[in-house]
Amino acid sequence: EVQLVESGGGLVKPGGSVRLSCAASGFTFSNAWMSWARQAPGKGLEWVGRIKSKTDGGTTDYGAAAKGRFTISRDDSKNTLYLQMNSLKTDDTAVYYCTTPGGTWGPGTLVTVSS
Amino acid sequence: DIVMTQSPDSLAVSLGERATINCKSSQSVLYSSNNNNYLAWYQQKPGQSPKLLIYWASSRGSGVPDRFSGSGSGTDFTLTISSLQAEDVAVYYCQQYYTTPFTFGPGTKVDIK
Repeated sequence: EVQLVESGGGLVKPGGSVRLSCAASGFTFSNAWMSWARQAPGKGLEWVGRIKSKTDGGTTDYGAAAKGRFTISRDDSKNTLYLQMNSLKTDDTAVYYCTTPGGTWGPGTLVTVSS
Repeated sequence: DIVMTQSPDSLAVSLGERATINCKSSQSVLYSSNNNNYLAWYQQKPGQSPKLLIYWASSRGSGVPDRFSGSGSGTDFTLTISSLQAEDVAVYYCQQYYTTPFTFGPGTKVDIK
């Protein structure tokens, strides 16, 4: 069974940083192009970005809100996806989800940016 | 970026009746070389993560009941729930994965009338 579990969320001050992790199991993680998405409280879904598999170049793409501030990386030896978020703003308050190409989503982790 | 729009914003349907949600993309998401529409539908129930219902515009995800169906091509798509059940109360989102950023529609809330 494909499983994703995000962690690392919490309360962060504006301008601060946080790194989210997503532990994957039940599929060949190293072959998967993985994505992050987010959902602000009471709002719709927003795609954050994607990382390709290393065999396909390992490159990343980002949505407008993430460009220049967020970095997606992966550790295939640990079956783990990461989202490094810097220069956080109050608008970044959201539940952050990791997702597989097959459409599986984790339960999400809440990041609250507030002073 | 491809802009996704959905209509209506919300709808209320009687149990056992049909619910229809429309999704429109600002440019075609049909890849001509494989004739696939890069369009997915997700269901999100309150307090839960999104669940994939439909991919390639019309293929049902694993375990998805056959009362859910997707149709359309190019820029216009439809999600149909043929006979609404109580457990279908949720927000439904379309998403294009034709090109990054993989944009979502704003969502359609479905309730029981």
